[in-house]
Amino acid sequence: AQSVTQPDIHITVSEGASLELRCNYSYGATPYLFWYVQSPGQGLQLLLKYFSGDTLVQGIKGFEAEFKRSQSSFNLRKPSVHWSDAAEYFCAQIYGNKLVFGAGTILRVKS
Amino acid sequence: DGGITQSPKYLFRKEGQNVTLSCEQNLNHDAMYWYRQDPGQGLRLIYYSQIVNDFQKGDIAEGYSVSREKKESFPLTVTSAQKNPTAFYLCASSIQGRDIQYFGAGTRLSVL
Repeated sequence: AQSVTQPDIHITVSEGASLELRCNYSYGATPYLFWYVQSPGQGLQLLLKYFSGDTLVQGIKGFEAEFKRSQSSFNLRKPSVHWSDAAEYFCAQIYGNKLVFGAGTILRVKS
Repeated sequence: DGGITQSPKYLFRKEGQNVTLSCEQNLNHDAMYWYRQDPGQGLRLIYYSQIVNDFQKGDIAEGYSVSREKKESFPLTVTSAQKNPTAFYLCASSIQGRDIQYFGAGTRLSVL
C-alpha cells in the first residue's frame, strides 16, 4: 500500500541552526513528491516539488530537498532557520490521481 | 486575485444535522479535492472530482457527500451519518489530476 512516512513528530531547533526534516516514500520508480508547510489554522502552502530531473530541488523561503532513490527518501533542508519557520511540514506523494500525505512534522524554533 | 475560497471559517453542527462546507476556485482548475485533517494524522482524502458532474470517493467517504455542478464549485456535505465530524476540512484544486494541488484556508467544524 502507498504510504509516506515522516519519522519525526516534533523537532526543535535553535534560530540560525540548520534543519533537516525526514521523509520516506513507498511507491514508484520515479515518484512525484512534494513538501508543504502549514501555519496553525491555515491551509497548506507548497514549498517545493520533485517530478524528475535534478535530484536537488530548490523551493521558496530558502528550503531545498534532495531526492535519493536508493534510500526512498526526500528530505527537506534549510541552512539557517528563522523563527517564522515554526509550523507543521508535510511530505506528500502522488499515487494515481491522489495525493498521499505523511503525518506531518511540527517544527519549533527556540531563540 | 486567483485562489481557493472556503467558507465559513468556523462551523458548528448540532446532533442529527447535515451541514455544507463551501469551496470555490477561480483558477480554472479541472480537479478539486476535499481532505479531513485530524491532529497527528496528516490529511486524508474524502472525495475528489476530476471533471464537472463526476466525482470519486477517497479513503474516508462514509458520512460525507459532494456535488460538482460547476467547474469552480465543489461543496462538501457532512451528513448526520458522520459520527465524528469534528475536524479541520481543507479543499484543494489542481489543473488536472497528478499535478500540484493548491489549498484553501480551511473550515473548522465542531459539534455542539
